[in-house]
Amino acid sequence: GAGVSQSPSNKVTEKGKDVELRCDPISGHTALYWYRQRLGQGLEFLIYFQGNSAPDKSGLPSDRFSAERTGESVSTLTIQRTQQEDSAVYLCASSSTVRNEKLFFGSGTQLSVL
Amino acid sequence: EDQVTQSPEALRLQEGESSSLNCSYTVSGLRGLFWYRQDPGKGPEFLFTLYSAGEEKEKERLKATLTKKESFLHITAPKPEDSATYLCAVQAGGTSYGKLTFGQGTILTVHP
Repeated sequence: GAGVSQSPSNKVTEKGKDVELRCDPISGHTALYWYRQRLGQGLEFLIYFQGNSAPDKSGLPSDRFSAERTGESVSTLTIQRTQQEDSAVYLCASSSTVRNEKLFFGSGTQLSVL
Repeated sequence: EDQVTQSPEALRLQEGESSSLNCSYTVSGLRGLFWYRQDPGKGPEFLFTLYSAGEEKEKERLKATLTKKESFLHITAPKPEDSATYLCAVQAGGTSYGKLTFGQGTILTVHP
């Protein structure tokens, strides 16, 4: 595709429900990232996939958060038993280079937990 | 712990009024420093990567510089379309290449 695609663009859910966020990276990009952007705060690293290597999950805030990636394509970020503090914009990015100097970001999913 | 602090939080300029944004960082072995631009409702857009002190990069009205403790984004004769949030991020040595630490950003508004 022309860019990184994320869906849905907006998601409203009730506290305690599970949500799945989807990311379609740019075709051919081996690296994929998830970041979280809370209102008024900087982007927080969540998880990083690079090719077939084990993902770097060091940024996941709790065991309620998990992510998967199928090969070098689509990724899903799952948040179980959502809490109000999970409300944020979840951004996905991809990169074509090993050193990942240039990240291409999607427009994000705005998650609101009521 | 790696830290990035950007100042000012917000900056209002008149069209043509040049200025600079600051990014101070503390990192264990800088691998790279990045500048991104973010428009409302969109994801960040890559501007520059700087790797070592003394390095400079330019793109149109923007120029990024790097020292051992901070980076500056200089904006020369800005136009209203330069209005956006500018984000600074660092990549530390010894971590995976995908892990960036971002500052909170500087919201730039350029009035015509």
